[in-house]
Amino acid sequence: RKEVEQDPGPFNVPEGATVAFNCTYSNSASQSFFWYRQDCRKEPKLLMSVYSSGNEDGRFTAQLNRASQYISLLIRDSKLSDSATYLCVVNEGNYQLIWGAGTKLIIKP
Amino acid sequence: NAGVTQTPKFQVLKTGQSMTLQCAQDMNHEYMSWYRQDPGMGLRLIHYSVGAGITDQGEVPNGYNVSRSTTEDFPLRLLSAAPSQTSVYFCASSRDFTNNEQFFGPGTRLTVL
Repeated sequence: RKEVEQDPGPFNVPEGATVAFNCTYSNSASQSFFWYRQDCRKEPKLLMSVYSSGNEDGRFTAQLNRASQYISLLIRDSKLSDSATYLCVVNEGNYQLIWGAGTKLIIKP
Repeated sequence: NAGVTQTPKFQVLKTGQSMTLQCAQDMNHEYMSWYRQDPGMGLRLIHYSVGAGITDQGEVPNGYNVSRSTTEDFPLRLLSAAPSQTSVYFCASSRDFTNNEQFFGPGTRLTVL
């Protein structure tokens, strides 16, 4: 089975801090990449797609390193509402998405 | 738009019972899928469909059947429930598969005794 690996955490971070997660994937032919957010006992929701050149959405920055086969997510000026589990997702192009187990983030006041 | 709806939200079954988890979407999405989520593991694909009348197996299809008679509906049937099928089940849809956002239903929490 192709793998997507994430540090499960939890990452305990004070409010206002910057935090970064990495995700590694095993299939070098993977075509597209995403970060989803999942709140406790809720469904996953798309946070952002990850583009080859890197992309930013407000306080969130995603980067892709195809040579090393990893994806990163950086959250700046973290808010209490950022507390959630962040899921790394890889599209291998065969109608099947491969999901990481998630990294749990806890923002403390 | 209601988005993706799933019923029931919670279900307890006894070993050997069968049941159908319902999933419907009102966004005219072609791609629909069923996942199960277990503690410490990523979502695992059970079955998927790329359009009405077309279904295929995912990573963990054993013990489950699906059908897609309309664009809107994609029910998941448990044939003979086993304790190993205790999990949270999510249905998802997207406009197509390539690079589009997956929209999820709220999930069904299933316990098999």
